[in-house]
Amino acid sequence: AQKITQTQPGMFVQEKEAVTLDCTYDTSDQSYGLFWYKQPSSGEMIFLIYQGSYDEQNATEGRYSLNFQKARKSANLVISASQLGDSAMYFCAMREALKGGADGLTFGKGTHLIIQP
Amino acid sequence: DAGVIQSPRHEVTEMGQEVTLRCKPISGHDYLFWYRQTMMRGLELLIYFNNNVPIDDSGMPEDRFSAKMPNASFSTLKIQPSEPRDSAVYFCASSPPGRTQETQYFGPGTRLLVL
Repeated sequence: AQKITQTQPGMFVQEKEAVTLDCTYDTSDQSYGLFWYKQPSSGEMIFLIYQGSYDEQNATEGRYSLNFQKARKSANLVISASQLGDSAMYFCAMREALKGGADGLTFGKGTHLIIQP
Repeated sequence: DAGVIQSPRHEVTEMGQEVTLRCKPISGHDYLFWYRQTMMRGLELLIYFNNNVPIDDSGMPEDRFSAKMPNASFSTLKIQPSEPRDSAVYFCASSPPGRTQETQYFGPGTRLLVL
């Protein structure tokens, strides 16, 4: 079974500093994908970034980048120049093959990030 | 695009009552997923549809749970009878054709409280 581990239940970071949220994964598949989602206090799940296992370059989306280290099976999310609005829960997820050919998501437990002014 | 729409946003009901959660996926998306989020178990996939057909319902916890997708723009998740342990946030998500590998767009969720 696939597994996602997020070892930081909570983090406090000063505004404008860079943040790294850790994620390690366990899979025997050669082809897989990793996702990060943000869940603010309002509750919605916001897709941030995706990294495929065969992508040679780390994914980037604006202030978000994914530090993908395949040999270590880690996919850390880096947020540059943090803002107060970045305060939220952050979930790492892995694509899992489902019966019928589609892909679902297996989520980690999440990291609660709080940005302090 | 309006994004994935879910209703109601909040639902409070008494044990034993029937609960119906609704979802409208993003137009053109042919995959629809139902997830449940609890403190104890995190986010779990319950069921997914492809072109309105239920494909994998192995995550549905019990026979009290059922899901339908009568057309491409509407799906329901029904709990009958509801129990306090069903209290959770229920998310609907959708993906474009052939792109379930890359992204799933989530709705705002329905917060269900069963008393």
